[in-house]
Amino acid sequence: GENVEQHPSTLSVQEGDSAVIKCTYSDSASNYFPWYKQELGKGPQLIIDIRSNVGEKKDQRIAVTLNKTAKHFSLHITETQPEDSAVYFCAARNRGSTLGRLYFGRGTQLTVWP
Amino acid sequence: DTAVSQTPKYLVTQMGNDKSIKCEQNLGHDTMYWYKQDSKKFLKIMFSYNNKELIINETVPNRFSPKSPDKAHLNLHINSLELGDSAVYFCASSPRPPINQPQHFGDGTRLSIL
Repeated sequence: GENVEQHPSTLSVQEGDSAVIKCTYSDSASNYFPWYKQELGKGPQLIIDIRSNVGEKKDQRIAVTLNKTAKHFSLHITETQPEDSAVYFCAARNRGSTLGRLYFGRGTQLTVWP
Repeated sequence: DTAVSQTPKYLVTQMGNDKSIKCEQNLGHDTMYWYKQDSKKFLKIMFSYNNKELIINETVPNRFSPKSPDKAHLNLHINSLELGDSAVYFCASSPRPPINQPQHFGDGTRLSIL
């Protein structure tokens, strides 16, 4: 099956700085890569996703890049704010995965200091 | 309107008891999931149902029995609760693949075993 690795496990940045979280995947058949944000006491919420036919996607301060050759994808958050503090998960799904199963990374605890 | 709702939000009970967690989604999705999140935030899939049919059973002890009365509901019954069952349990739903759409998560049920 697919194996998704995520780094770093914790990340602290100053407000206004950028944050980058990186993930690698093992299955070259993977074609869908969502990112989730989990705030304290809440469930994971989708913040951005990318499909394998594009290399980059941006939504305001959040961007995701995908390198299919190297099998890695990254989340970039610019101009970080304290409310960006949360646990972030990357995930991957491949074309053959059993009914949409997502394979998750182990999460990154992002702390943004004011 | 809450898209994926779980009840109860908190569940505190004694070892050896039997308990149930309920999940409902109003998104019209065909597929529903149960995840277990441990204290290190790792999201581990337990079960997946598609239109009331069990699709994924990820080597979960048979003390855990999911039940899907219809495609909008997926409940989780746990027999003979053990200390190691303490975790946050998340329900999620998604449209039936091959549509590459994200999973939508509920806000979780925090289960504490005394």
